[in-house]
Amino acid sequence: KAGVTQTPRYLIKTRGQQVTLSCSPISGHRSVSWYQQTPGQGLQFLFEYFSETQRNKGNFPGRFSGRQFSNSRSEMNVSTLELGDSALYLCASSPRVSGTKTQYFGPGTRLLVL
Amino acid sequence: QQQVKQSPQSLIVQKGGISIINCAYENTAFDYFPWYQQFPGKGPALLIAIRPDVSEKKEGRFTISFNKSAKQFSLHIMDSQPGDSATYFCAASMLETSGSRLTFGEGTQLTVNP
Repeated sequence: KAGVTQTPRYLIKTRGQQVTLSCSPISGHRSVSWYQQTPGQGLQFLFEYFSETQRNKGNFPGRFSGRQFSNSRSEMNVSTLELGDSALYLCASSPRVSGTKTQYFGPGTRLLVL
Repeated sequence: QQQVKQSPQSLIVQKGGISIINCAYENTAFDYFPWYQQFPGKGPALLIAIRPDVSEKKEGRFTISFNKSAKQFSLHIMDSQPGDSATYFCAASMLETSGSRLTFGEGTQLTVNP
């Protein structure tokens, strides 16, 4: 079974631009979560989608948004980029929302904002 | 109250030694405690996880010890190998109420010297 895939792997943007990152979960997984990883703040939860609906949201400004498609693929968008948005953005998929479950992480998209 | 505190920040052990990483949490609603291993350039991968109804779980060389009353849990890596050199994250979740949302510790960079 193919793992979680994220595209692009690397991205360079300038302040004020917007960016869209893509995540394809493991086949059959319907829950997709997004995390931001930085040296200073560590791994922080952004949001979770299940069946095309946002189920959970972390403490990030409204510039961070996401969506999930009917095939469970997910995208996250960051508008009006700031220098502090430079980070590794990780996507994780799991087979279901509740109960004991394993989250499988993708390799991440490394975003650099100049 | 959502935080998970992890220590030490970095750890150096000799090959064959025991690596011990500790985590503490405040929120008693947490009911799922996984440990993740992350290599450079990769996403975190689940190593082992425990529910609070057991005090210890062992999988190969990896053991989680869980102390519910102290709100602490730890990862023990027996017979540590150079290939175990990675960053380790503890995490916590409220499975039934917060879906897939994981709250991560700050991470421990483990170096195993040959």
